[in-house]
Amino acid sequence: GAGVSQSPSNKVTEKGKDVELRCDPISGHTALYWYRQSLGQGLEFLIYFQGNSAPDKSGLPSDRFSAERTGGSVSTLTIQRTQQEDSAVYLCASKGLAGTGELFFGEGSRLTVL
Amino acid sequence: KQEVTQIPAALSVPEGENLVLNCSFTDSAIYNLQWFRQDPGKGLTSLLLIQSSQREQTSGRLNASLDKSSGRSTLYIAASQPGDSATYLCAVRNNQGGKLIFGQGTELSVKP
Repeated sequence: GAGVSQSPSNKVTEKGKDVELRCDPISGHTALYWYRQSLGQGLEFLIYFQGNSAPDKSGLPSDRFSAERTGGSVSTLTIQRTQQEDSAVYLCASKGLAGTGELFFGEGSRLTVL
Repeated sequence: KQEVTQIPAALSVPEGENLVLNCSFTDSAIYNLQWFRQDPGKGLTSLLLIQSSQREQTSGRLNASLDKSSGRSTLYIAASQPGDSATYLCAVRNNQGGKLIFGQGTELSVKP
């Protein structure tokens, strides 16, 4: 597609439920990143995928968080047993292997845990 | 550990003024630095990217400079307009394949 696409744009869930957030990167981009932005906070790195290499999971805050990237394209971020502190905007970005190394972000998925 | 700081946290200026946003980073061994804009409730829009070998990049009324040795970058906005009102974020990458590390951002308000 023309840009990074994320869905859903908004998700309201109850505490304890599992949620899945989806990211469609720019076609042909080999690198994909997930970030979290809590209210009034900066962007917190979560996880990074680059081609077929093992992902950098160093930013995942707990074992309730996981992500996968199927076929080197679409990625899903899963949060199990959601907590109120998980409420945030989850942003996805992609980057091509060639070129300047510029990151392009999606519009984000706003998660609210009641 | 790389840390990125942006000063000021918020800035309000009258329309037409030229302004400078500051970004500093603790580890000068960066691969590149990228400036973004974020409008309320939206994602990030890339403004300028400066490679470690470059000193500045320009796009329209925006000019970003990089001084690696001192760990600083500035974003210069000429002839500011109300439409420039947004949060401006600076981010650095330490190596070619690594993650971007973000500052907290500067919230800019340009008054008509």
